[in-house]
Amino acid sequence: GDSVTQMEGPVTLSEEAFLTINCTYTATGYPSLFWYVQYPGEGLQLLLKATKADDKGSNKGFEATYRKETTSFHLEKGSVQVSDSAVYFCALRVVGTNAGKSTFGDGTTLTVKP
Amino acid sequence: NAGVTQTPKFQVLKTGQSMTLQCAQDMNHEYMSWYRQDPGMGLRLIHYSVGAGITDQGEVPNGYNVSRSTTEDFPLRLLSAAPSQTSVYFCASSFTGGSYEQYFGPGTRLTVT
Repeated sequence: GDSVTQMEGPVTLSEEAFLTINCTYTATGYPSLFWYVQYPGEGLQLLLKATKADDKGSNKGFEATYRKETTSFHLEKGSVQVSDSAVYFCALRVVGTNAGKSTFGDGTTLTVKP
Repeated sequence: NAGVTQTPKFQVLKTGQSMTLQCAQDMNHEYMSWYRQDPGMGLRLIHYSVGAGITDQGEVPNGYNVSRSTTEDFPLRLLSAAPSQTSVYFCASSFTGGSYEQYFGPGTRLTVT
């Protein structure tokens, strides 16, 4: 079946540090890949996505590149802010199988200290 | 657009009570789903629906029922609440198709005593 493995947290960084959160996947078909962010007390919201190999998704200074050869979709940001403190989820969705169900990683908690 | 709305935001139940968690979306999405989120366990899919009149089980369906009589609404029923159902519940919706992201509601925090 499909699965997503995320770097275990929690991750604690100082403001302006570089962020990487690793994500690898296995999929039965050709997946689209997503990063969602969850701020305290809220639901998940889409951060960025990529739908085919070598696509780069980007939003709010975050980036991730769809690497089919390494089955990875690592999240990066060059300079984090305190307001980036949240839980980050990597997810995949496969076209045409499993009725379009998403598969989520376990989430990585990021805390950014001033 | 209100997006995905969930009610109530908080609920406390006694063991054995039943209740319905409401979920509605105004984006004309075919696909709707319910998840529970527990510490250290990520998101687990309870039930999902690909359109009005069509529902199916996810990975943790026991103790929960759903129905989908309209495109907009997808209520989740707890038949006889148990302490193990203490969790945060999220409803999500999207267009059907692998490239579409899901839109999540704000969640319902349920405590069963």
